[in-house]
Amino acid sequence: DAGVIQSPRHEVTEMGQEVTLRCKPISGHDYLFWYRQTMMRGLELLIYFNNNVPIDDSGMPEDRFSAKMPNASFSTLKIQPSEPRDSAVYFCASSDKPGLAGARRTYNEQFFGPGTRLTVL
Amino acid sequence: AQSVTQPDIHITVSEGASLELRCNYSYGATPYLFWYVQSPGQGLQLLLKYFSGDTLVQGIKGFEAEFKRSQSSFNLRKPSVHWSDAAEYFCALGTAGNKLTFGGGTRVLVKP
Repeated sequence: DAGVIQSPRHEVTEMGQEVTLRCKPISGHDYLFWYRQTMMRGLELLIYFNNNVPIDDSGMPEDRFSAKMPNASFSTLKIQPSEPRDSAVYFCASSDKPGLAGARRTYNEQFFGPGTRLTVL
Repeated sequence: AQSVTQPDIHITVSEGASLELRCNYSYGATPYLFWYVQSPGQGLQLLLKYFSGDTLVQGIKGFEAEFKRSQSSFNLRKPSVHWSDAAEYFCALGTAGNKLTFGGGTRVLVKP
């Protein structure tokens, strides 16, 4: 498998423009996560999906951000309109569904994509 | 509430010397703990994970970590660092919903 694929790798845009980031998770993974990384705030979870359904979007900063997962192999994160403070590296990650070890739920490794470096001028 | 703290923002170590990165967590149940490494311009790669059992966990690239419940810690160690170990290291806690809560990261610089 090629791993998690993100595009574009770099995006430079002007304030007010719409930005769309794309992610292809690892085939067969049930979970997809979108993170944002900045110097000031570190690595933040924005939203995650389970079986294409958004489960928790409490990390989405504001209404300008939206994410979709129309099918199991594709997700988008859209910013409209973009602002300079949205400049960051955006990561997509995917993982298999958690299992059970006895009565205890396990966690599966999240596999990260290479990220999209977004610069909003 | 769950949280992960990495007290050291930067660490500088000489090549060949030992390395220890600290991680403390706060969680109300038995934790699932992870260490990830991020090389410059790259995504995060899993080094090792702890779920249960042996409290000393071996990972890739010669790293190991020790889980200490009494200290709420999961420190990462390597006996002898290589220049290629220069990177940022993240400790993470598995929480409800298959999510991860990350620490702030520790940037490691390796001196020749």
